[in-house]
Amino acid sequence: DTEVTQTPKHLVMGMTNKKSLKCEQHMGHRAMYWYKQKAKKPPELMFVYSYEKLSINESVPSRFSPECPNSSLLNLHLHALQPEDSALYLCASSQEGDRGGEQYFGPGTRLTVT
Amino acid sequence: GQSLEQPSEVTAVEGAIVQINCTYQTSGFYGLSWYQQHDGGAPTFLSYNALDGLEETGRFSSFLSRSDSYGYLLLQELQMKDSASYFCAVINQAGTALIFGKGTTLSVSS
Repeated sequence: DTEVTQTPKHLVMGMTNKKSLKCEQHMGHRAMYWYKQKAKKPPELMFVYSYEKLSINESVPSRFSPECPNSSLLNLHLHALQPEDSALYLCASSQEGDRGGEQYFGPGTRLTVT
Repeated sequence: GQSLEQPSEVTAVEGAIVQINCTYQTSGFYGLSWYQQHDGGAPTFLSYNALDGLEETGRFSSFLSRSDSYGYLLLQELQMKDSASYFCAVINQAGTALIFGKGTTLSVSS
């Protein structure tokens, strides 16, 4: 099983809403990632979890809050977002440390903030 | 810091061969990866080169020269379905995450 799943596929939310994005993998990978991708741009790293511990937070605003309940699950909690936060949010996983440069991406959640 | 340069667009016809170059500047280099992304889809891993030389996987090959800080992705026998964005990527200095180039949009026509 080389699949990373993400829910929901699409999300529209107002600036006062609270919502969560979910990601799951069953490949035994110990590193999981959240990326944000705008149209025609490369993915931008937001957070890295390694062995269920947050190892990188790329100066992401506090309105984005990651959570790793266990080694297979990754959540991204959203609160008081801005319209400029509209983007494709990608989850990925890899072997710990990712020194192989091989990551598996989920299909993404397309988020629209109104 | 780390930076990667790759052409923004490449066009080709079906059956042709195309090469997408990538030059990088990075401290603590581990290897060079390539990802494919179709419009509306997620990035898909294509290849990874840690050592100098050519790696071949079907119609796609990837090359790395560490001394030149340069690599390329070679796509042979192009098909319409190869129309996509292609990203080169390196591991960050901490060895924990990927840094992507800006991407090359490949358009294959019949």
